Amino acid sequence: SYVLTQPPSVSVAPGQTATITCGGNNIEGRSVHWYQQRPGQAPILVVYDDSDRPSGIPERFSGSNSGNTATLTIGRVGAGDEADYYCQVWNSDSDFPVFGGGTKLTVL
Amino acid sequence: EVQLVESGGGLVQPGGSVRLSCAASGFTFSSYEMVWVRQAPGKGLEWVSYISSSGFTIYYADSVKGRFTISRDNARNSLSLQMNSLSVEDTAIYFCARDQWTGSHYFDFWGQGTLVTVSS
Repeated sequence: SYVLTQPPSVSVAPGQTATITCGGNNIEGRSVHWYQQRPGQAPILVVYDDSDRPSGIPERFSGSNSGNTATLTIGRVGAGDEADYYCQVWNSDSDFPVFGGGTKLTVL
Repeated sequence: EVQLVESGGGLVQPGGSVRLSCAASGFTFSSYEMVWVRQAPGKGLEWVSYISSSGFTIYYADSVKGRFTISRDNARNSLSLQMNSLSVEDTAIYFCARDQWTGSHYFDFWGQGTLVTVSS
């Protein structure tokens, strides 16, 4: 089955830019979606279809997808961005979604 | 405002059963596919089951196939998950989520989740 690989943790200073990667075999051929999950809360969709933002998500959140790596970029990071972030694709071969293992973003 | 509210979780013994419900409001429920996703304590997200808008197409993760049954009642704007033969590995928060499709499936709204604890 298709596997998505994320770094377990990423740390960034306040005001800086955080980059979270999601690796998968030829992932650029798939649409990648990203979720933010703050402690004790439900996930929230922050990027869909590689780089689109749902209504209400700040422009600081952006996404890209190329080769074997998709990337979620968060600009001007603040304490409120501390959360777990998950990437997700739909595995059309088996008709089910696949999630990455998640990345814990820490704001120093 | 889209709202999804899960209920039905609790403590259940190994081998037991529980039925989860998800009440939907703020959108035309019958037009959307829906999914259940779970999260074991301290772990990541795991997809559990999918149901089409009509209810005719259903998929399950291998880990729950044959034990869980997803269903929906479009007249009542309700999604359900019947969980049988539960094991400790099924202990998790169970989220219902609305499935959005734009050439790929993603989940644009989630409920707050309901905790199922399987323990003797």
